[in-house]
Amino acid sequence: EAGVAQSPRYKIIEKRQSVAFWCNPISGHATLYWYQQILGQGPKLLIQFQNNGVVDDSQLPKDRFSAERLKGVDSTLKIQPAKLEDSAVYLCASSLGGWAPSALGAFFGQGTRLTVV
Amino acid sequence: KQEVTQIPAALSVPEGENLVLNCSFTDSAIYNLQWFRQDPGKGLTSLLLIQSSQREQTSGRLNASLDKSSGRSTLYIAASQPGDSATYLCAVTFSGTYKYIFGTGTRLKVLA
Repeated sequence: EAGVAQSPRYKIIEKRQSVAFWCNPISGHATLYWYQQILGQGPKLLIQFQNNGVVDDSQLPKDRFSAERLKGVDSTLKIQPAKLEDSAVYLCASSLGGWAPSALGAFFGQGTRLTVV
Repeated sequence: KQEVTQIPAALSVPEGENLVLNCSFTDSAIYNLQWFRQDPGKGLTSLLLIQSSQREQTSGRLNASLDKSSGRSTLYIAASQPGDSATYLCAVTFSGTYKYIFGTGTRLKVLA
C-alpha cells in the first residue's frame, strides 16, 4: 500500500514570495491533516479536512495561508506572502475515518522542509 | 483548551537502561492516543496506538500504557539501544472535536 505522498521535499524561498505544497493521501482515506512543525517543537495542526470539507482551521493564519482539497483527494497548502517565521517542516497526514476518527490512527508523509530567507 | 504535554523534553541514558517517557493531556475524553518516533530530518513513524477502551499496547521492547482518568500515557522502552535515539511524540485524538493534537516531544539519546 502506498503511503502519504508529499512534494516538494525541500523548498527555499525569499520572504514575501509565495509557495505551494502538495499532498496525496492514502487511497480511500477520508480525513486529511496539514501540520506545521517548527524545529524543536511538536507538530501544530493547521487544518483538518473531512473529504473536501474543512473540519477545523482554527490555527491556520488565514491572512497568508490557504488550503484546499478538491474532490476530497489531493490537497494543496499555499503561503502568500511568506515570512521568515514560516520556516518549518509541513507535514501532511491522512486517516481512514469518516466523521469518527479511525481506529488505525493517522499516517504521515515525509514532509516538506521550507526555508524562508 | 485541549493540550498535550510531554516530559522530559530531553533525555540521555546509557545503553541497556530501561526508560519511561511521559505524555499528559488536559481532557480525559479522548478517542485514542498514538506514539510516534521521529528521526532527524525524517517524517513520523507510528509506534503504538491505544484506543480509549484499552489500558496498554505492546510491540517488541515498547510498551505504552493509558490512564484516561489521570490524563496520562507512558511509553516504556526496555533495554535501550543507540538505535532508539530519536524524538518521541505522542498525539491524542480528543472526543467531540476529533482534533489530533501532538505533544511537545521528548528527544532521546542512548549512549553506546
